[in-house]
Amino acid sequence: AQSVTQLGSHVSVSEGALVLLRCNYSSSVPPYLFWYVQYPNQGLQLLLKYTTGATLVKGINGFEAEFKKSETSFHLTKPSAHMSDAAEYFCAVESGGYQKVTFGTGTKLQVIP
Amino acid sequence: GAVVSQHPSRVICKSGTSVKIECRSLDFQATTMFWYRQFPKQSLMLMATSNEGSKATYEQGVEKDKFLINHASLTLSTLTVTSAHPEDSSFYICSASDRGRGENIQYFGAGTRLSVL
Repeated sequence: AQSVTQLGSHVSVSEGALVLLRCNYSSSVPPYLFWYVQYPNQGLQLLLKYTTGATLVKGINGFEAEFKKSETSFHLTKPSAHMSDAAEYFCAVESGGYQKVTFGTGTKLQVIP
Repeated sequence: GAVVSQHPSRVICKSGTSVKIECRSLDFQATTMFWYRQFPKQSLMLMATSNEGSKATYEQGVEKDKFLINHASLTLSTLTVTSAHPEDSSFYICSASDRGRGENIQYFGAGTRLSVL
Protein backbone atom coordinates (compact mmCIF):
# COMPACT_ATOMS: atom_id res chain seq x y z
CA ALA A 1 0.00 0.00 0.00
CA GLN A 2 1.10 3.53 -0.61
CA SER A 3 -0.13 6.92 0.50
CA VAL A 4 0.80 10.55 0.30
CA THR A 5 0.25 13.32 2.83
CA GLN A 6 0.58 16.95 1.93
CA LEU A 7 0.66 19.22 4.94
CA GLY A 8 -1.22 22.42 4.39
CA SER A 9 -3.97 22.69 1.82
CA HIS A 10 -3.15 26.37 1.37
CA VAL A 11 0.21 28.08 1.54
CA SER A 12 0.77 31.81 1.08
CA VAL A 13 4.14 33.37 0.42
CA SER A 14 5.29 36.81 -0.60
CA GLU A 15 6.75 37.32 -4.02
CA GLY A 16 10.48 36.66 -3.78
CA ALA A 17 10.19 34.54 -0.65
CA LEU A 18 11.08 30.89 -0.26
CA VAL A 19 8.48 28.36 -1.28
CA LEU A 20 8.26 25.16 0.77
CA LEU A 21 5.53 22.63 0.11
CA ARG A 22 5.60 19.55 2.27
CA CYS A 23 5.02 15.97 1.20
CA ASN A 24 5.37 12.77 3.18
CA TYR A 25 4.74 9.35 1.75
CA SER A 26 4.40 5.79 2.84
CA SER A 27 5.40 2.89 0.68
CA SER A 28 6.38 -0.69 1.34
CA VAL A 29 8.90 -0.67 -1.49
CA PRO A 30 11.29 1.97 -2.85
CA PRO A 31 9.04 4.57 -4.38
CA TYR A 32 9.02 6.79 -7.37
CA LEU A 33 8.02 10.29 -6.30
CA PHE A 34 6.59 13.12 -8.34
CA TRP A 35 5.46 16.70 -8.04
CA TYR A 36 2.86 18.02 -10.43
CA VAL A 37 1.43 21.50 -10.88
CA GLN A 38 -2.13 22.24 -11.93
CA TYR A 39 -3.40 25.59 -13.12
CA PRO A 40 -7.16 26.28 -12.98
CA ASN A 41 -9.21 24.10 -15.31
CA GLN A 42 -6.13 22.44 -16.71
CA GLY A 43 -4.47 19.07 -16.48
CA LEU A 44 -1.36 18.30 -14.52
CA GLN A 45 2.13 19.22 -15.58
CA LEU A 46 5.11 17.30 -14.29
CA LEU A 47 7.46 19.52 -12.28
CA LEU A 48 10.02 16.91 -11.30
CA LYS A 49 10.44 13.30 -10.39
CA TYR A 50 12.64 11.05 -8.29
CA THR A 51 13.24 7.50 -9.38
CA THR A 52 16.74 6.46 -8.33
CA GLY A 53 20.14 8.06 -7.88
CA ALA A 54 20.70 11.60 -6.68
CA THR A 55 18.26 12.48 -3.94
CA LEU A 56 18.14 16.19 -4.79
CA VAL A 57 16.06 16.54 -7.91
CA LYS A 58 15.82 19.69 -9.96
CA GLY A 59 12.75 20.40 -12.03
CA ILE A 60 11.27 23.03 -14.23
CA ASN A 61 10.60 26.65 -13.27
CA GLY A 62 13.33 26.64 -10.63
CA PHE A 63 11.72 24.05 -8.37
CA GLU A 64 13.59 21.27 -6.67
CA ALA A 65 12.81 18.53 -4.19
CA GLU A 66 14.87 16.29 -1.97
CA PHE A 67 14.10 12.65 -1.31
CA LYS A 68 14.79 11.85 2.33
CA LYS A 69 14.26 8.17 2.93
CA SER A 70 14.78 8.41 6.69
CA GLU A 71 12.04 11.01 6.94
CA THR A 72 9.87 9.53 4.16
CA SER A 73 9.63 13.03 2.76
CA PHE A 74 9.84 14.68 -0.62
CA HIS A 75 9.36 18.39 0.05
CA LEU A 76 9.22 20.84 -2.83
CA THR A 77 11.15 24.10 -2.66
CA LYS A 78 11.89 27.16 -4.72
CA PRO A 79 14.22 29.91 -3.48
CA SER A 80 12.20 32.83 -4.78
CA ALA A 81 8.49 32.78 -5.54
CA HIS A 82 7.08 34.38 -8.66
CA MET A 83 3.51 35.44 -9.20
CA SER A 84 3.28 32.84 -11.97
CA ASP A 85 3.91 30.09 -9.41
CA ALA A 86 0.42 30.52 -8.00
CA ALA A 87 -1.26 27.18 -8.69
CA GLU A 88 -2.11 23.91 -7.04
CA TYR A 89 0.66 21.43 -6.44
CA PHE A 90 0.26 17.70 -6.09
CA CYS A 91 2.75 15.26 -4.69
CA ALA A 92 2.43 11.70 -5.96
CA VAL A 93 3.96 8.32 -5.28
CA GLU A 94 4.22 5.21 -7.36
CA SER A 95 5.58 2.00 -5.94
CA GLY A 96 5.71 -1.59 -6.98
CA GLY A 97 6.28 -0.79 -10.62
CA TYR A 98 2.63 -1.08 -11.48
CA GLN A 99 2.29 2.54 -12.58
CA LYS A 100 -0.52 3.04 -10.13
CA VAL A 101 0.07 6.53 -8.84
CA THR A 102 -1.41 7.85 -5.64
CA PHE A 103 -1.83 11.60 -5.39
CA GLY A 104 -1.83 13.78 -2.33
CA THR A 105 -4.72 16.09 -1.66
CA GLY A 106 -2.89 19.05 -3.11
CA THR A 107 -1.54 22.34 -1.81
CA LYS A 108 -2.78 25.59 -3.25
CA LEU A 109 0.05 28.11 -3.42
CA GLN A 110 -0.82 31.78 -3.24
CA VAL A 111 1.86 34.34 -4.05
CA ILE A 112 1.30 37.77 -2.57
CA PRO A 113 2.77 40.74 -4.42
CA GLY B 1 7.49 15.70 -26.84
CA ALA B 2 5.05 13.59 -24.80
CA VAL B 3 1.90 15.54 -25.53
CA VAL B 4 -1.49 14.22 -24.54
CA SER B 5 -4.55 15.77 -26.09
CA GLN B 6 -7.94 15.47 -24.42
CA HIS B 7 -11.18 16.43 -26.11
CA PRO B 8 -13.56 18.05 -25.47
CA SER B 9 -12.31 20.46 -22.84
CA ARG B 10 -15.83 21.17 -21.67
CA VAL B 11 -19.16 19.53 -22.25
CA ILE B 12 -22.65 20.29 -21.00
CA CYS B 13 -25.29 17.65 -21.49
CA LYS B 14 -28.78 16.73 -20.39
CA SER B 15 -29.40 14.08 -17.81
CA GLY B 16 -29.74 10.64 -19.38
CA THR B 17 -27.49 11.26 -22.35
CA SER B 18 -24.09 9.69 -22.95
CA VAL B 19 -20.87 11.61 -23.32
CA LYS B 20 -17.64 10.45 -24.92
CA ILE B 21 -14.27 11.88 -23.97
CA GLU B 22 -11.20 11.22 -26.09
CA CYS B 23 -7.61 11.02 -24.96
CA ARG B 24 -4.85 10.93 -27.55
CA SER B 25 -1.11 10.67 -27.27
CA LEU B 26 0.19 12.85 -30.06
CA ASP B 27 3.86 12.00 -30.29
CA PHE B 28 4.31 8.70 -28.56
CA GLN B 29 2.69 5.32 -28.24
CA ALA B 30 0.72 5.06 -25.05
CA THR B 31 0.96 1.51 -23.85
CA THR B 32 -1.09 2.44 -20.81
CA MET B 33 -3.70 5.11 -20.27
CA PHE B 34 -5.32 6.20 -17.07
CA TRP B 35 -8.57 7.95 -16.33
CA TYR B 36 -8.99 10.13 -13.27
CA ARG B 37 -11.82 12.05 -11.76
CA GLN B 38 -11.30 15.20 -9.76
CA PHE B 39 -13.96 16.73 -7.56
CA PRO B 40 -13.77 20.42 -6.69
CA LYS B 41 -10.91 21.21 -4.34
CA GLN B 42 -9.93 17.55 -4.11
CA SER B 43 -7.21 15.38 -5.45
CA LEU B 44 -7.32 13.09 -8.44
CA MET B 45 -8.98 9.76 -7.98
CA LEU B 46 -7.96 6.98 -10.31
CA MET B 47 -10.97 5.49 -12.03
CA ALA B 48 -9.39 2.93 -14.30
CA THR B 49 -6.27 1.81 -16.06
CA SER B 50 -6.34 0.62 -19.63
CA ASN B 51 -3.76 -1.16 -21.70
CA GLU B 52 -3.99 -1.16 -25.45
CA GLY B 53 -6.01 -4.04 -26.76
CA SER B 54 -7.22 -5.32 -23.42
CA LYS B 55 -10.03 -4.60 -21.03
CA ALA B 56 -9.67 -1.75 -18.60
CA THR B 57 -9.00 -2.40 -14.94
CA TYR B 58 -11.41 -0.42 -12.81
CA GLU B 59 -10.79 0.79 -9.31
CA GLN B 60 -13.03 -0.33 -6.51
CA GLY B 61 -16.29 1.55 -6.47
CA VAL B 62 -16.17 2.63 -10.12
CA GLU B 63 -19.07 1.28 -12.16
CA LYS B 64 -17.80 -0.45 -15.27
CA ASP B 65 -21.11 -0.14 -17.06
CA LYS B 66 -21.35 3.51 -16.22
CA PHE B 67 -17.88 4.50 -17.32
CA LEU B 68 -16.99 2.62 -20.48
CA ILE B 69 -13.34 2.72 -21.42
CA ASN B 70 -11.95 1.70 -24.77
CA HIS B 71 -8.24 1.65 -25.60
CA ALA B 72 -8.39 0.49 -29.18
CA SER B 73 -5.05 1.80 -30.36
CA LEU B 74 -1.71 2.88 -28.99
CA THR B 75 -2.66 6.51 -29.37
CA LEU B 76 -6.31 6.68 -28.40
CA SER B 77 -8.41 5.87 -25.37
CA THR B 78 -12.01 6.92 -24.87
CA LEU B 79 -14.15 7.26 -21.77
CA THR B 80 -17.89 7.17 -22.27
CA VAL B 81 -20.10 8.30 -19.43
CA THR B 82 -23.34 6.46 -20.09
CA SER B 83 -26.72 7.82 -19.05
CA ALA B 84 -25.08 10.74 -17.32
CA HIS B 85 -26.67 12.23 -14.23
CA PRO B 86 -25.90 15.42 -12.32
CA GLU B 87 -23.77 13.50 -9.82
CA ASP B 88 -21.45 12.57 -12.69
CA SER B 89 -20.57 16.23 -13.13
CA SER B 90 -16.86 16.49 -12.51
CA PHE B 91 -13.47 17.17 -14.02
CA TYR B 92 -12.15 14.12 -15.85
CA ILE B 93 -8.46 13.86 -16.66
CA CYS B 94 -6.64 11.27 -18.69
CA SER B 95 -2.98 10.42 -18.67
CA ALA B 96 -0.78 8.23 -20.79
CA SER B 97 2.52 6.53 -20.35
CA ASP B 98 4.94 4.73 -22.57
CA ARG B 99 6.87 2.06 -20.77
CA GLY B 100 8.97 1.67 -23.87
CA ARG B 101 10.67 4.91 -22.90
CA GLY B 102 12.03 3.18 -19.83
CA GLU B 103 10.48 5.72 -17.52
CA ASN B 104 7.44 5.62 -15.31
CA ILE B 105 5.98 9.00 -16.10
CA GLN B 106 2.39 9.80 -16.81
CA TYR B 107 1.67 12.64 -19.19
CA PHE B 108 -1.63 14.34 -18.57
CA GLY B 109 -4.27 15.76 -20.81
CA ALA B 110 -5.79 19.15 -20.08
CA GLY B 111 -8.95 17.64 -18.65
CA THR B 112 -12.64 17.67 -19.52
CA ARG B 113 -15.16 19.47 -17.39
CA LEU B 114 -18.48 17.63 -17.58
CA SER B 115 -21.63 19.38 -16.45
CA VAL B 116 -24.82 17.33 -16.45
CA LEU B 117 -28.03 19.33 -16.22
